[in-house]
This record gives sequence, C-alpha cells and structure tokens, in this order.
Amino acid sequence: EDQVTQSPEALRLQEGESSSLNCSYTVSGLRGLFWYRQDPGKGPEFLFTLYSAGEEKEKERLKATLTKKESFLHITAPKPEDSATYLCAVRSVNRDDKIIFGKGTRLHILP
Amino acid sequence: DAGVIQSPRHEVTEMGQEVTLRCKPISGHDYLFWYRQTMMRGLELLIYFNNNVPIDDSGMPEDRFSAKMPNASFSTLKIQPSEPRDSAVYFCASSWFLGGTNEKLFFGSGTQLSVL
Repeated sequence: EDQVTQSPEALRLQEGESSSLNCSYTVSGLRGLFWYRQDPGKGPEFLFTLYSAGEEKEKERLKATLTKKESFLHITAPKPEDSATYLCAVRSVNRDDKIIFGKGTRLHILP
Repeated sequence: DAGVIQSPRHEVTEMGQEVTLRCKPISGHDYLFWYRQTMMRGLELLIYFNNNVPIDDSGMPEDRFSAKMPNASFSTLKIQPSEPRDSAVYFCASSWFLGGTNEKLFFGSGTQLSVL
C-alpha cells in the first residue's frame, strides 16, 4: 500500500538555525512528489513538485530534494514567518492519479 | 481569479442532521478534489472528479457521504446523517491537470465542521 511518512512531527528552531524536514514514501511508481505549506486556518499552498531522483528545486530559503525513497525540505536561515505546517504528498502510477498526503511537520521558528 | 471558494467557513450541527458543503473551483480547472483533515489522520482524499465525472470515491468513509458535481463551476459534499466523528476540516481543491511540470493543487480555505 502506498504510504507517505513525514518526520519530525514538530520542530522548533531559533531564527537563523538551518534544518531539514524528511518525507519518506513507499509507492509502486512515483509520478510526482509535492511539498505544500499550510498556515493555521488556511488551506495548503503549493511549494514544489519533484519528479525524478536527483531533482532539486529552490524558493527563497527553501530547497527540496528527491531520492528514490525520500525527499528533504531544507530550510536555510529560517525566519519567524517560515513558521507553518509543511505537507508532503505523492501521486502514484498505481493509484489512478490519487494524491496522498503525509501528516505534516509543524515548524515553529523562534525570534 | 478569487481562487477556490468554499462555503460555509464554519458549520455547527447536531448529530443526525444533514450537512451540505459547497465548493466553487477555479474557472478552467478540470480536476476537483475533496479532502478531510484531522489531527489524527491528516489530510485524507475522499473523492475526486475529472470534467465533472467522479473518478475515484474509494476514500468516502460510508454511504452517509455523497458528492456531486453538476457542472464545471460547482460541487457539493453531503453528509446525511451526520455523526460526531465526522467533525473535521473539509477542503476542496482544484487543478488544471495532473502530470507535467506545472502540476499543482489549489486549495480553498476549508469548512470547519463540528457535529455535536
């Protein structure tokens, strides 16, 4: 069965303290891996799509990378406004284009 | 474009009552998804449509749940009768297509449902 597991569940960092969030996935055939950001009381907002191992994408202080088993969201010198829940999702070739989400990592950046 | 519009933003109802959640996708988007989010289970896909046709409803928890998309600009998710365990945030999302370098879902702000 296709699965998406994110770790850690929650992470507290000091402003400027870089770190990485992990997304491990088990799918029969990966058609795409997605990262979303969700602020309290709002719907998830798209960040990145990755399609093949070795691919990397960057946006401001965020960089997403992909291997055959996991993806990392690297956060460099974070600011308090980066505080949010970060969600990972996958679309599998065997799931009729379903997009399945992990439970997310709650990130809190302390000023 | 105003984005994906959901209504109501909050719904409080009593067990056994019928609940109808509404969604207006972004114009021109061919795909529409209904998700449910809870702390315990995260974001779960309930059903999705392509060109107004339901493609996969295997995530719909029970026969109490039903979804329709009568036209390209409107969808409903109905729960009848509602139960306390249905309490969650329900999100609607839309997309132009699946696959390709610009693939992404656009989410609405969600409906917070509380069943007492």
